[in-house]
Formats: sequence, C-alpha cells, structure tokens
Amino acid sequence: GESVGLHLPTLSVQEGDNSIINCAYSNSASDYFIWYKQESGKGPQFIIDIRSNMDKRQGQRVTVLLNKTVKHLSLQIAATQPGDSAVYFCAENYNQGGKLIFGQGTELSVKP
Amino acid sequence: GAGVSQSPSNKVTEKGKDVELRCDPISGHTALYWYRQSLGQGLEFLIYFQGNSAPDKSGLPSDRFSAERTGGSVSTLTIQRTQQEDSAVYLCASSWTSGMNNEQFFGPGTRLTVL
Repeated sequence: GESVGLHLPTLSVQEGDNSIINCAYSNSASDYFIWYKQESGKGPQFIIDIRSNMDKRQGQRVTVLLNKTVKHLSLQIAATQPGDSAVYFCAENYNQGGKLIFGQGTELSVKP
Repeated sequence: GAGVSQSPSNKVTEKGKDVELRCDPISGHTALYWYRQSLGQGLEFLIYFQGNSAPDKSGLPSDRFSAERTGGSVSTLTIQRTQQEDSAVYLCASSWTSGMNNEQFFGPGTRLTVL
C-alpha cells in the first residue's frame, strides 16, 4: 500500500552541528515532496519542497535531497539551532489534487 | 496578512454527541484541506475542497464524518455520534489552488477530546 515513512523517530544533535532527517516513500509515481516543521501546539509549517525531476534543492540552511532510485528523501539542516527543535514531517503528492500523504515524523532535539 | 484560523481551539465532548469544527482559510485561497493528527502521529488526509466542490473525500473514516464549504471560503467539518477514537487534532490547510506546487498553509488545529 501507499506509505511514507521515516527511518528515525527521534534525533538529538548539538547546537551548531548539521542534522539529517530521512524519509522513505513507497509510491514511485509520487512527483512532489515537501518537508514540514511542526512545533508543539502549532500546525505544520512549510520548509522546502522538491519536484521529482530534481535531485537536490537548497534553501536557507536547509537542503532536500531526493533519490528516486531507492525512493528516499532527506532533509539536511546546517548549523542546527535550538529554534530548529520540532517534529519534522515529509509528505508526498502524486497528482491527486493536492492531497498530501504524510510520514510519521521525526522529533529533532537540539542541545545547547 | 491573516493566516488560516480554526475554531474552537479545543473541544471536549461526550461520546455520542455531534461536533462541528470550523476553518477559515486564507482570503483568496480556493483549495481547502482537512487532516487529522492523532497523538504522536503524522497527519492523515480526510477531504479537500476546490471551491465548494469536494473532489476527494477518500480520507473520511466513516459516514459519521462530513464536511461542507459554502461561498468558497469557510468550511465546517462535522462529526456525528462521536466516538473516543475520534479524539485527535483536526488540522485545516488552504492553498491558492489545488494540485502540485501549491503550498498548503496550515491552521493551528482544533484539539478534540471525546470522553
């Protein structure tokens, strides 16, 4: 069946280190992927997205990598800060009118 | 500008009662989405609207769940005869239009607790 899953449910890093959050997806027809950040008590906030015709996209301190061969998505956060502490979700879309399929989430904890 | 707003922020109800959850999307956004998030879980798609039409209702868990959108703006999610397993945070999102590459902006959610 369809699923988007994460390899690691929790990740703890030191402030200033780089963080890598991974995600596996099962639907090879997926053509659009998004990373969301969710802080406690808030709705998810868009971080970065990538289309299936790309393998890398960079934003401010964040990079998303897409490996379609192994159906893997990752989010890299450079110089992680305490404000980056949150739950991170990957989501996929496969041309169903914007319906997003979310993964289970990874909780990132940044130690000062 | 104003973001997506949802009301109430919290709702406690008794098993068997009906509840209505409201979503006010960002002005001008034609697409509106409802998701459900159980404790410690990812978001589960419920339904989306393009304008007042609902092309995809595939995520509604049972016929106790329904949603409507009128005037292409506000949407209401109704849960009839609530059950304890309905307890979750119900999130609404909106975007300029539906489909790929249209960022979905989320509201803060309504936390529903069914006793």
